[in-house]
Amino acid sequence: EAQVTQNPRYLITVTGKKLTVTCSQNMNHEYMSWYRQDPGLGLRQIYYSMNVEVTDKGDVPEGYKVSRKEKRNFPLILESPSPNQTSLYFCASSFGPIGTHAYEQYFGPGTRLTVT
Amino acid sequence: DAKTTQPPSMDCAEGRAANLPCNHSTISGNEYVYWYRQIHSQGPQYIIHGLKNNETNEMASLIITEDRKSSTLILPHATLRDTAVYYCIVRAMDSNYQLIWGAGTKLIIKP
Repeated sequence: EAQVTQNPRYLITVTGKKLTVTCSQNMNHEYMSWYRQDPGLGLRQIYYSMNVEVTDKGDVPEGYKVSRKEKRNFPLILESPSPNQTSLYFCASSFGPIGTHAYEQYFGPGTRLTVT
Repeated sequence: DAKTTQPPSMDCAEGRAANLPCNHSTISGNEYVYWYRQIHSQGPQYIIHGLKNNETNEMASLIITEDRKSSTLILPHATLRDTAVYYCIVRAMDSNYQLIWGAGTKLIIKP
């Protein structure tokens, strides 16, 4: 089954404790991205990757890191989480950037992160 | 990118057609209209997209006005499972950037 998986689905952590949220897709998609969703603010892009070893900042990259060592995986790293990073996070993938025929993005189930 | 305007919420009776409007009066000639939906904090799901012509797939139909300044997403026979937030987004097909998500329309299907 074609899917995007994220782990963990729920995470409660404390300020400053490094964490990683994993994202994996099994569709051989080139393009992957991370979003955060906050009430009243919609989905905002954090980082995206157009292919292996190619990453770029989205709209709200501060406090986050990503890596793309393999095509299927795109982990999101919070080196020193803070309470303002409490949010619902989504990973997404598509065949290419939205500017190609990649109109359809596939989203993961989401990771609800709480930083206390 | 063109800004879209959607009603914040709508109701529809189960089994009836749900018609969700979207205004995009500043749309450019190369910008497509995309529709996604998000069911209660799940990951958003692609529904349909179009440029000028009306489009139909297994999920919905998309009607775009001739001047392209507005569009309507039609769910022909709404079910309770169609209760979700529906997002109308316009974006150029040749853009390398992601979709810009607005607040969407909360569609509630009532039995």
